[in-house]
Amino acid sequence: EAQVTQNPRYLITVTGKKLTVTCSQNMNHEYMSWYRQDPGLGLRQIYYSMNVEVTDKGDVPEGYKVSRKEKRNFPLILESPSPNQTSLYFCASSDAPGDEKLFFGSGTQLSVL
Amino acid sequence: TQLLEQSPQFLSIQEGENLTVYCNSSSVFSSLQWYRQEPGEGPVLLVTVVTGGEVKKLKRLTFQFGDARKDSSLHITAAQPGDTGLYLCAGRQTGANNLFFGTGTRLTVIP
Repeated sequence: EAQVTQNPRYLITVTGKKLTVTCSQNMNHEYMSWYRQDPGLGLRQIYYSMNVEVTDKGDVPEGYKVSRKEKRNFPLILESPSPNQTSLYFCASSDAPGDEKLFFGSGTQLSVL
Repeated sequence: TQLLEQSPQFLSIQEGENLTVYCNSSSVFSSLQWYRQEPGEGPVLLVTVVTGGEVKKLKRLTFQFGDARKDSSLHITAAQPGDTGLYLCAGRQTGANNLFFGTGTRLTVIP
């Protein structure tokens, strides 16, 4: 089954404790992206990747890092999480960054205390 | 600053009623997409429109792209409880890699 898998689904952590949210897709998609979703703000892009070893900042990249060492994986790293990073995070992938369909994971609800 | 504003933000209607959700911007988009998101899941693409004035239908849902490609609307006829969810518009500007998402409309259809 074609899917984007994020882990974990729920995560509660404390300020400053490094964490990684994993994202994997099995559709051989070139394009992958991370979004955060906050009430009243819709989805805002954090980082995206056009292909392996190619990443770029989205609209809200501060406090986040990503890597794309393999085509299927695109982890999101929070080196020193802060409470304002409490949010619902989504990973997405598509065949190309043009008008192609974006496939989303089921989301990771992160709470930073 | 939000590139895409959706209205209304919340909408609660009775089963069988019609409704329209709007997605507006001052910017021009090369394409615009509509997604529906259910609780605990990621957004799922409903439709993509690319031509100014284009109208697409998906069963009881009608999507329209504005003539100037700055706005879009989603009309649902005879809403059903299964239509309940968060509706998001998303636009892509010419030459851009980013997809900008709207603020969302949360629809509740009461049986």
